[in-house]
Amino acid sequence: DAGITQSPRHKVTETGTPVTLRCHQTENHRYMYWYRQDPGHGLRLIHYSYGVKDTDKGEVSDGYSVSRSKTEDFLLTLESATSSQTSVYFCAISAGTGGYEQYFGPGTRLTVT
Amino acid sequence: DAKTTQPNSMESNEEEPVHLPCNHSTISGTDYIHWYRQLPSQGPEYVIHGLTSNVNNRMASLAIAEDRKSSTLILHRATLRDAAVYYCILRDGGYSGGGADGLTFGKGTHLIIQP
Repeated sequence: DAGITQSPRHKVTETGTPVTLRCHQTENHRYMYWYRQDPGHGLRLIHYSYGVKDTDKGEVSDGYSVSRSKTEDFLLTLESATSSQTSVYFCAISAGTGGYEQYFGPGTRLTVT
Repeated sequence: DAKTTQPNSMESNEEEPVHLPCNHSTISGTDYIHWYRQLPSQGPEYVIHGLTSNVNNRMASLAIAEDRKSSTLILHRATLRDAAVYYCILRDGGYSGGGADGLTFGKGTHLIIQP
C-alpha cells in the first residue's frame, strides 16, 4: 500500500471555525490532490499541487485553501467552516500525470454543526 | 474532458469471472484508460490502466477495443471482497497545462457479488 496518511480521521466542528486537514506521504511523489465525496456527487477535486509551493484550484475550491511547504505534506484549510462542507475528504498522490495512477488516503470524515 | 459511460450496477456470482464494460466514444489519442474501485467506507483504490494494448496485473485485466472507444475490466474470479463501485476514468497523457490533472469520477458501476 502507498504510504499516505490523513489526520484527523474524524472531526466535528462548529460553523464559522477554521479547520485544517493534513495529508502526509512517504512516497516522495510530486503530485498531491484533495477531493471531497458527497452522496450523489461522487468524488470532486478541490485543489491540487504539482510541487512544493505549487498549487492550483480544482472543480470545487470555493471556501478552501491549501499549502504545501514540504514534498510530504499537503494541508487543506477550511477558512470558516460551513455545514455545506460536511463531507468525506480524500487525499491522493501521484508520481506523474496521464499514464500514472493515483493512490488515495483513508479519508477524513468532517462534520460541521 | 472525454466522458465515460458505465452501467449503474451489475451482479455476479462468487468465483465466477466478471466483465465490467465502459464506453468512451470521444476518447482522444493521448487519453489513458484508468480503473479504480471503492469498497464501502474506504478511499478509492487503483486497479489498472492502459493506453492501447490489453493489460494484466495481479488484480485484474483490462481489455481495450481496437478503436479504443470501449474497454472492459475483467475480474477473473470474483470474491465477496470485490463488491465495490468501479470507476472507469480517462486521464490525458498529453496534459501540458503546467499543473496537474485530477481524476474526474462519474457514478461508476456498483458491482454486487452473490455468494
